[in-house]
Amino acid sequence: NAGVMQNPRHLVRRRGQEARLRCSPMKGHSHVYWYRQLPEEGLKFMVYLQKENIIDESGMPKERFSAEFPKEGPSILRIQQVVRGDSAAYFCASSQGAANEKLFFGSGTQLSVL
Amino acid sequence: QKEVEQNSGPLSVPEGAIASLNCTYSDRGSQSFFWYRQYSGKSPELIMSIYSNGDKEDGRFTAQLNKASQYVSLLIRDSQPSDSATYLCAVASNTGKLIFGQGTTLQVKP
Repeated sequence: NAGVMQNPRHLVRRRGQEARLRCSPMKGHSHVYWYRQLPEEGLKFMVYLQKENIIDESGMPKERFSAEFPKEGPSILRIQQVVRGDSAAYFCASSQGAANEKLFFGSGTQLSVL
Repeated sequence: QKEVEQNSGPLSVPEGAIASLNCTYSDRGSQSFFWYRQYSGKSPELIMSIYSNGDKEDGRFTAQLNKASQYVSLLIRDSQPSDSATYLCAVASNTGKLIFGQGTTLQVKP
């Protein structure tokens, strides 16, 4: 019973490096969402994707951040030239359908920028 | 005004009591509402969903929705120490994404 799979669980990067976070949705799910969570804060929406399409990227910073969900393979959240303020837990979630569907979350990737 | 607002707490209740968690939202057109539980260092897990005005019960949990007042609540009966966690209210937007409140920390004391 494979749920939403995220890897790596922990990622350490130095300032200026690139971070790549991966997410494989639950079987049968074609909608993927990325959220960021800082300590003691709620989940902040970043981007919503379907296969090969970005549906809503209103929460993505304008620079350095990008996301994709290709036809084959996992969804990727890419952060270029990381800064210390990027340190956070990044959660991926998936759903079977669009709008108003329940989301199921992965275990998250904890990104630490030194 | 935040899109989804919750009191961050902590809310402290004795074991066996009823815990009441509240949430307000700003988008009057919202149709779907969810409560997630998040233990420290873990990912959120879905507890309840509610789509219609009124109450929805599932075991010890009851979700309440009042669209006219733009208000959602979660009641936990017979609270247990294992219920101690952060409870996140989430509202679906018209593009399909879920918008989360900052969460309410619940502490159930033995």
